[in-house]
Amino acid sequence: AQKITQTQPGMFVQEKEAVTLDCTYDTSDPSYGLFWYKQPSSGEMIFLIYQGSYDQQNATEGRYSLNFQKARKSANLVISASQLGDSAMYFCAMRDLHSNYQLIWGAGTKLIIKP
Amino acid sequence: DVKVTQSSRYLVKRTGEKVFLECVQDMDHENMFWYRQDPGLGLRLIYFSYDVKMKEKGDIPEGYSVSREKKERFSLILESASTNQTSMYLCASRITGGAGNTEAFFGQGTRLTVV
Repeated sequence: AQKITQTQPGMFVQEKEAVTLDCTYDTSDPSYGLFWYKQPSSGEMIFLIYQGSYDQQNATEGRYSLNFQKARKSANLVISASQLGDSAMYFCAMRDLHSNYQLIWGAGTKLIIKP
Repeated sequence: DVKVTQSSRYLVKRTGEKVFLECVQDMDHENMFWYRQDPGLGLRLIYFSYDVKMKEKGDIPEGYSVSREKKERFSLILESASTNQTSMYLCASRITGGAGNTEAFFGQGTRLTVV
């Protein structure tokens, strides 16, 4: 069965430091996509970044990058130069690309940026 | 901008009441989803719909039903609310097909408390 694991329930990071949020996944399907979402205290889920299983390069979006290690089945989110506004819950999710519907979600990591 | 709007941010209902959670999206998306979010469990799919009047059970459909009479609107119904349905409910929509990286767009969430 497909599964997403986020092992860090919470993290404290000093402002301006880089932070890595861990995500490992389990699937037997060779074709899948991995997503990271941010959920601030307001509640809305905000899409951050995507990595496809066949993508040759690690995805980047501004200060966000994805450290994709396919053999280890990990897709860690890296936030460079953290800001106070980065404080939020972060969720890793996976979609089987043969399915148009299902996203499998991790339990989330609560990130708090300290000034 | 894509907009997914949930009718209420906060709701308090009594045990046994019938509860309606409404979700409207303005981007003509075929797919709509209802998730439940609980601490430490991530998001769990309750129901989804891939077209008007079409619905499919997700992972935890028990105690819930849905209605999709119009493309833009997807309603979640708690037939007889119970205290174990106290949770955050998130609605999402997504276009059908597209590239694998097509993300889902979320509403701001409804925090439901059943007393």
